[in-house]
Amino acid sequence: EVQLVESGGGLVQPGGSLRLSCAASGITFSPYAMSWVRQAPGKGLEWVSAISGSGGTTYYADSVKGRFTISRDNSKNTLYLQMNSLRAEDTALYYCAKDSGWYYGSGSYMDYWGQGTLVTVSS
Amino acid sequence: EIVLTQSPGTLSLSPGERATLSCRASQSVSSRYLAWYQQKPGQAPRLLIYGASSRATGIPDRFSGSGSGTDFTLTISRLEPEDFAVYHCQQYGDSPRTFGQGTKVVIK
Repeated sequence: EVQLVESGGGLVQPGGSLRLSCAASGITFSPYAMSWVRQAPGKGLEWVSAISGSGGTTYYADSVKGRFTISRDNSKNTLYLQMNSLRAEDTALYYCAKDSGWYYGSGSYMDYWGQGTLVTVSS
Repeated sequence: EIVLTQSPGTLSLSPGERATLSCRASQSVSSRYLAWYQQKPGQAPRLLIYGASSRATGIPDRFSGSGSGTDFTLTISRLEPEDFAVYHCQQYGDSPRTFGQGTKVVIK
C-alpha cells in the first residue's frame, strides 16, 4: 500500500521559514517525480512545486518561485519543501503527491496523495 | 496558464441519481491530459480519472470521464452514499498544472 506522510507544518510568523517533509513507503520512490499541492482554508487546490525522479529538475508555481525550494533524498524515500519568506497567503494544507511518471509534464499526473500538513502564517 | 471552470458549483441529488459534472478549459488541453479527483472532508484528494477517460486503479465503473479539447465531463451513473463529496478537475498538459474550483455533490 502506498503511503505518503507529511510533517513539519505549524504556526510561523510572516517572513519566517519552515521545512516540510514527506516520507514515502509502499512504493519504489526514486524513479517517480513528486509534487507539492496546497489548499488554503475553504479554497481549491493549487499546485506548488514538482521535482523529477532523479532530483535534477525542479519546477515552481510563480507564486512561490524564489521563496520555496523542493528537494528529495532518494536514499531516505523522502521529499522536502523548504519555505522561506512566508506570507499570510501561504497559509494552507500542504499535500505531497506522487507522480505517475518520472518527469513533471509529459503526461505525468498525480496518482497518490498524502493527508497533508497544515501551515499557518500569522503574527 | 490554463484556467479550468467547473460547473455547477453545487449539485444537489439523491442516491441512485445520475450526476453530470462539467469542467471547461480556457484553452485546449493537450492530449486529453485531464484528471478528476474526489475529496471528502478531512481527506486527501483521490484520483478517479486520468487521460480524460481512464479510470484509476480500484475506481468503480459507475465513474466515467469523457471529453476533449476544452470541454470535459465526469459522470457518476448512480450515486452511492459514499459519492457525496467535492470533485476537482485538473489539467496536466501545460505548465503550471491547474485545478478547477471544485463541484460539491450534496444529498438532496
